[in-house]
Amino acid sequence: DAGVIQSPRHEVTEMGQEVTLRCKPISGHDYLFWYRQTMMRGLELLIYFNNNVPIDDSGMPEDRFSAKMPNASFSTLKIQPSEPRDSAVYFCASSFRRVSTDTQYFGPGTRLTVL
Amino acid sequence: AQSVSQHNHHVILSEAASLELGCNYSYGGTVNLFWYVQYPGQHLQLLLKYFSGDPLVKGIKGFEAEFIKSKFSFNLRKPSVQWSDTAEYFCAPYPGAGSYQLTFGKGTKLSVIP
Repeated sequence: DAGVIQSPRHEVTEMGQEVTLRCKPISGHDYLFWYRQTMMRGLELLIYFNNNVPIDDSGMPEDRFSAKMPNASFSTLKIQPSEPRDSAVYFCASSFRRVSTDTQYFGPGTRLTVL
Repeated sequence: AQSVSQHNHHVILSEAASLELGCNYSYGGTVNLFWYVQYPGQHLQLLLKYFSGDPLVKGIKGFEAEFIKSKFSFNLRKPSVQWSDTAEYFCAPYPGAGSYQLTFGKGTKLSVIP
């Protein structure tokens, strides 16, 4: 398996523009997570899905952020409009919950810079 | 809400030195614990995990961690570090039943000097 795939790897945009980050989880995994990593706040969970359904979005910072999972093999995280403080590395992770706990497999991340 | 504390922000060691990174969590119930590692420019990878049983857990690359329930701790250790261990290390408790969320610590950056 190719692992979790994220695109783009790097994104540079200007304040006010819409940004869409993409994620393809590992085939067969039924949980998908979006994280944001910054120097100041570390690694934060933004939202996670189970079987394509959003379960907890309490980590989404504001209404400018939205995430969708239209099918089991694709998810997007959208920021509209983007702001400089959104600059961070955004990770997608997936897991297969066969027992009560399981390992999360992380993608390579998208480094977002908002000017 | 559960929280996790990693005591050291940045640790600098010479090769062959011993390593111990602290991790404490605040969760009174059954908890499972993970250590993830992020090598420079790479994504997070699982280093080791504790579910139950022997509180001393062996991971990849010679790492181990000891779960001490009475101290709410899950410290990471390695007897002799190598330059290739330079990375950032994240502790993450997971409560198991109920909320399916890992809470990551702020991370400890390890720099190993050749």
